[in-house]
Amino acid sequence: ETGVTQSPTHLIKTRGQQVTLRCSSQSGHNTVSWYQQALGQGPQFIFQYYREEENGRGNFPPRFSGLQFPNYSSELNVNALELDDSALYLCASSLHRGVGTGANVLTFGAGSRLTVL
Amino acid sequence: GQQVMQIPQYQHVQEGEDFTTYCNSSTTLSNIQWYKQRPGGHPVFLIQLVKSGEVKKQKRLTFQFGEAKKNSSLHITATQTTDVGTYFCAGHIGGSYIPTFGRGTSLIVHP
Repeated sequence: ETGVTQSPTHLIKTRGQQVTLRCSSQSGHNTVSWYQQALGQGPQFIFQYYREEENGRGNFPPRFSGLQFPNYSSELNVNALELDDSALYLCASSLHRGVGTGANVLTFGAGSRLTVL
Repeated sequence: GQQVMQIPQYQHVQEGEDFTTYCNSSTTLSNIQWYKQRPGGHPVFLIQLVKSGEVKKQKRLTFQFGEAKKNSSLHITATQTTDVGTYFCAGHIGGSYIPTFGRGTSLIVHP
């Protein structure tokens, strides 16, 4: 089975620009979550997509937005980039079996490292 | 907000010594997961604990979930250089299926 793939692996942007990060989920998974990991920190939950809809959101401003496509792949868009947005952005896919079926085990991609100058 | 606290932040050990990292929540967790992130890599799932007082072993790694389901630990016996990395706990608060990650404990093993 194929794992989670993310692109691009590295990118450099300047403050105020916009960025789109892409993620292909693992085969058989239907849910995609995005995390931001600053240096020396744990992954911070941005949002999750299930059935092409946002299914939960962390404490991130609206300039962070996303999409999930029918093939379960996903995009993370960040507008009006700020210096503090510099981080590793991790995509994780999982199989969500429905309400009340318990926690999802996450399979992470290698991440997209964003540097904002 | 609700948080999952993890200590210590860093741990240096000599190869062969034991290592333990602790995870604590002020709120009852429905379950807890542990992940390992190698330097320059991404988190990889290790294990999930669900039951109160549960103990699971993977070779030299022992995972425990507290009786009150508010804390957890990971113990590595006789560390090896391959154990180097950051270990994260991720707790599921209440019925949420979205895990809250701790800050992680970075293990440095000196040969």
